[in-house]
Amino acid sequence: QSVLTQPPSASGTPGQRVTISCSGSSSNIGGNTVNWYHQLPGAAPKLLIYSNNQRPSGVPDRFSGSKSGTSASLAISGLQSEDEADYYCAAWDGSLNGYVFGTGTKVTVL
Amino acid sequence: EVQLVESGGGLVQPGGSLRLSCAVSGFTFSSYVMSWVRQAPGKGLEWVSGVSETGGTTHYADSVKGRFTISRDNSKNTLHLQMNSLRAEDTAIYYCARRARGQSYNFDYWGQGTLVTVSS
Repeated sequence: QSVLTQPPSASGTPGQRVTISCSGSSSNIGGNTVNWYHQLPGAAPKLLIYSNNQRPSGVPDRFSGSKSGTSASLAISGLQSEDEADYYCAAWDGSLNGYVFGTGTKVTVL
Repeated sequence: EVQLVESGGGLVQPGGSLRLSCAVSGFTFSSYVMSWVRQAPGKGLEWVSGVSETGGTTHYADSVKGRFTISRDNSKNTLHLQMNSLRAEDTAIYYCARRARGQSYNFDYWGQGTLVTVSS
């Protein structure tokens, strides 16, 4: 079972802003940085946000991340059709001594 | 260009064994922590195991501890995952992933994955 909880789905129309939440605990989000990955259908995951709010080279600034306490969130502004994908939060868990992923959120562009 | 290419997946009976490999190129393999992450059909991502740069330190998810062994051959730029006592619930696409350098634990490059199916 995933120890990081995300809503199963989120949706919006083109141009809208969508936010995805990620809830954890003191042993993971509360004590370590949060990362976000997205996964297009049939493709490998790709790093979207690291260190809570940093974007790797090539990731549009429409994507932003934040963290507060034991929760984190990913925001997608100016939603585009190509943003339809599964999104996962993740962090190192000091109690499990392992890396944990969120349950995943499927984003649909209406 | 960074590349990670997995191989070794296939169909195996419950209780059987399989060895996955991940050949890397485009970066200094021995300088990076590496991991395996899996995804069961229609399910989310699950971290399986990680290994330090020298291979001296390994970590495993509880779901595979005692059955899987991660290793690396820095002379051949290759990561391995030896999977024993396989169960139906181990059926998944297995990805190898490179941990980015720095304090944040994240995976900046992934392979395309190799499918493991455990079924009789």
